[in-house]
Amino acid sequence: KAGVTQTPRYLIKTRGQQVTLSCSPISGHRSVSWYQQTPGQGLQFLFEYFSETQRNKGNFPGRFSGRQFSNSRSEMNVSTLELGDSALYLCASTGGGRSSTDTQYFGPGTRLTVL
Amino acid sequence: AQSVTQLDSHVSVSEGTPVLLRCNYSSSYSPSLFWYVQHPNKGLQLLLKYTSAATLVKGINGFEAEFKKSETSFHLTKPSAHMSDAAEYFCVVSPTGSARQLTFGSGTQLTVLP
Repeated sequence: KAGVTQTPRYLIKTRGQQVTLSCSPISGHRSVSWYQQTPGQGLQFLFEYFSETQRNKGNFPGRFSGRQFSNSRSEMNVSTLELGDSALYLCASTGGGRSSTDTQYFGPGTRLTVL
Repeated sequence: AQSVTQLDSHVSVSEGTPVLLRCNYSSSYSPSLFWYVQHPNKGLQLLLKYTSAATLVKGINGFEAEFKKSETSFHLTKPSAHMSDAAEYFCVVSPTGSARQLTFGSGTQLTVLP
């Protein structure tokens, strides 16, 4: 089974621009979660999508948004980029049940640099 | 609310010696606890998870962790370190009912010396 894939792997943008990142979950997985990883704040939960609906949301401003398509692929969008948005963005997929013991499988991440 | 505290930001061991990475947790519910590893420029890989079935959990690559409720700890151990174990390790908590809103510790960077 192919793992979680994320595109692009690296991205360079300038302040004020917007960016869209893509995540394809493991085949059969219906839940996709997004995380931001920075040296200062560590790994922080952004949001989770299941069956095209946002099911959980972390404490991030409205500039961060996402969506999920009927094939479970997910995109996240960041508008009006700030320097502090430079980070590794990780996506994870899981089967979709609400059990907290479900394993999240992570992709390799997209490294976003904002200049 | 739940949280995890990784007590050491850096741990250095010699190859062939034991590894101990410490983690304390705080949770209002009976938590699920995980250890993930991240190698440079790679995503996160699950090492092991505690789901209340057994307090001693065995994971991949010889790692194991023991859940101690009285101490609110979930320390990760390995009897003998290998050079390939050098990476960053994250202790993670997921409270019952909030399946995928994982809360990560700050990470422990493990260095393995030859």
